[in-house]
Amino acid sequence: QTVVTQEPSFSVSPGGTVTLTCGLSSGSVSTSSYPSWYQQTPGQTPRTLIYNTNTRSSGVPNRFSGSILGNKAALTISGAQGDDESDYYCVLYMGSGNWVFGGGTKLTVL
Amino acid sequence: QVHLVESGGGLVKPGGSLRLSCAASGFTFSAYHMSWIRQAPGKGLEWVSYISNSGSVIYYIDSVKGRFTISRDDTTNSLFLQMNSLRDEDTAVYYCARPRGNYWHFDLWGRGSLLTVSA
Repeated sequence: QTVVTQEPSFSVSPGGTVTLTCGLSSGSVSTSSYPSWYQQTPGQTPRTLIYNTNTRSSGVPNRFSGSILGNKAALTISGAQGDDESDYYCVLYMGSGNWVFGGGTKLTVL
Repeated sequence: QVHLVESGGGLVKPGGSLRLSCAASGFTFSAYHMSWIRQAPGKGLEWVSYISNSGSVIYYIDSVKGRFTISRDDTTNSLFLQMNSLRDEDTAVYYCARPRGNYWHFDLWGRGSLLTVSA
């Protein structure tokens, strides 16, 4: 069974930079998994931030960026703001119409 | 403007059935693949099922295979999820979402419909 791993929680200071990661329990994440990232505040619908590893969705500020770092996908938030305090989910495409989400990272800005 | 609106959620006893619907608007529904994604209370997101734009290709997460059936009606721009033999662990908000076949991400989400399975 494929498990996608994310840090359960992270904190960043306002104006700071934070990198959240998305890995596989066994193996490496590559661009061929088409990693994408979603932001969700409590009670709200997920918002698409990044797709295809590093493409920002329409309207997403350029302080959000995606990449592959080592064997993981990564979401970097530069110049963190208070309203970035959310849950962040990555998802990897496994092929054949199957996706696996990570468990999510709760980001605190303080 | 593009929209997905889910309906049909509610309280069901274990072993019961329920059918979720998702009404699409603002885009050519028949051209797009569709999916259901769920989120248990206080938990993360979980992909549940996929149906291709033609309706001929369907996939499910293992935990719902044999119990859930995804379908679509392009004449009414609707997506459905028939859920049978419901279990406590199926309790979740169910989101209708549009996956894009070019980069396999979800670019459009509904607001979700809550299913509660409880005796």
